[in-house]
Amino acid sequence: GAVVSQHPSRVICKSGTSVKIECRSLDFQATTMFWYRQFPKQSLMLMATSNEGSKATYEQGVEKDKFLINHASLTLSTLTVTSAHPEDSSFYICSASRGTGEKLFFGSGTQLSVL
Amino acid sequence: QQQVKQSPQSLIVQKGGISIINCAYENTAFDYFPWYQQFPGKGPALLIAIRPDVSEKKEGRFTISFNKSAKQFSLHIMDSQPGDSATYFCAAKAETSGSRLTFGEGTQLTVNP
Repeated sequence: GAVVSQHPSRVICKSGTSVKIECRSLDFQATTMFWYRQFPKQSLMLMATSNEGSKATYEQGVEKDKFLINHASLTLSTLTVTSAHPEDSSFYICSASRGTGEKLFFGSGTQLSVL
Repeated sequence: QQQVKQSPQSLIVQKGGISIINCAYENTAFDYFPWYQQFPGKGPALLIAIRPDVSEKKEGRFTISFNKSAKQFSLHIMDSQPGDSATYFCAAKAETSGSRLTFGEGTQLTVNP
């Protein structure tokens, strides 16, 4: 199966700082990447859909200015949590597909803890 | 109409037993139904998937049963092992939604030795 690498796996930061999470498709070109947020014992909540070379599409209720998504190449998408606060602490997961309708492959997730 | 309802929320099975997790959907446009397995602190991994043109798909100890008329599908784990202890998510996708998945709420499976 295809490999999606997500980095870092865990990050602890102080309130008010910004954190960048990277999602890379290692062995395929990902035209579409998705970013999710997951709270303990809950399902994945889609935050945004990013397509290479275009602006991300955010789900309702997700702050575009707080969660900056960049999909500058076919193998890399980044999620930047700006001015992080304790309520942003969560497990963030990315996924990628080769194209529309293709299978989704998930990264290993990033546990963000904001102190 | 976009929701996928999953049950039970948690399940405890003895080693060697059969684990059964059920999902139901409303959107008849869904045409792809995957199951994902997630271990703590890890991302979901695709386990098995089915399309509505078949009623059953088996891969090793994992079987999906699909009932199109009832709009239900289920995951059966035969000969459950402690290593199967994880959270399982069903999902569904419509062709018109590209690769976007709608997830169920998840089932926490515990297989006791």
